[in-house]
Amino acid sequence: EPEVTQTPSHQVTQMGQEVILRCVPISNHLYFYWYRQILGQKVEFLVSFYNNEISEKSEIFDDQFSVERPDGSNFTLKIRSTKLEDSAMYFCASSVGTGTSPQHFGDGTRLSIL
Amino acid sequence: AQRVTQPEKLLSVFKGAPVELKCNYSYSGSPELFWYVQYSRQRLQLLLRHISRESIKGFTADLNKGETSFHLKKPFAQEEDSAMYYCALVPSGTASKLTFGTGTRLQVTL
Repeated sequence: EPEVTQTPSHQVTQMGQEVILRCVPISNHLYFYWYRQILGQKVEFLVSFYNNEISEKSEIFDDQFSVERPDGSNFTLKIRSTKLEDSAMYFCASSVGTGTSPQHFGDGTRLSIL
Repeated sequence: AQRVTQPEKLLSVFKGAPVELKCNYSYSGSPELFWYVQYSRQRLQLLLRHISRESIKGFTADLNKGETSFHLKKPFAQEEDSAMYYCALVPSGTASKLTFGTGTRLQVTL
């Protein structure tokens, strides 16, 4: 069964550094998402992406964050200048459509900011 | 804004006992409701969605619009059901942002 893959599984970065989290969505999916989960808290929506543009973003997704689909397969989340509070598990997801279409999640990238 | 509440952080039941994981939501329209499950060291995966009205691994969930609830039930718990369960909501229409509850850890013991 096709899966969403995320790399790296764990990223350790110094505060203030830029970090790029990578995702390969399922190949026939058209909608892509990033979520994050701070330790002990719930999974929170960051951004959704369709047709090469952001379709929705949350308050968390400020100017420090950006997303890109640089080629036909990768979907990346960039954090420009990381803060301690960016430490979290970041999940990528993809779906065929919206609404009732199930979102398929990757294993996540654990981001640790020192 | 929509909100999903899962009041129990941990639910511990004996094998063979009935299970009910509670989920309440607040949303002014007609949402799409889902249950996601995360087994130990595995990814979040869809368990079921209300629109399908299906039973997966013996679990069912009924959307009760009057009580704004979408409780997950199983008549006889199995050890392999031990996992983290998340209730989630997508607003109606074309939006697809999932709003999650805080999750309930189900622990099935012998």
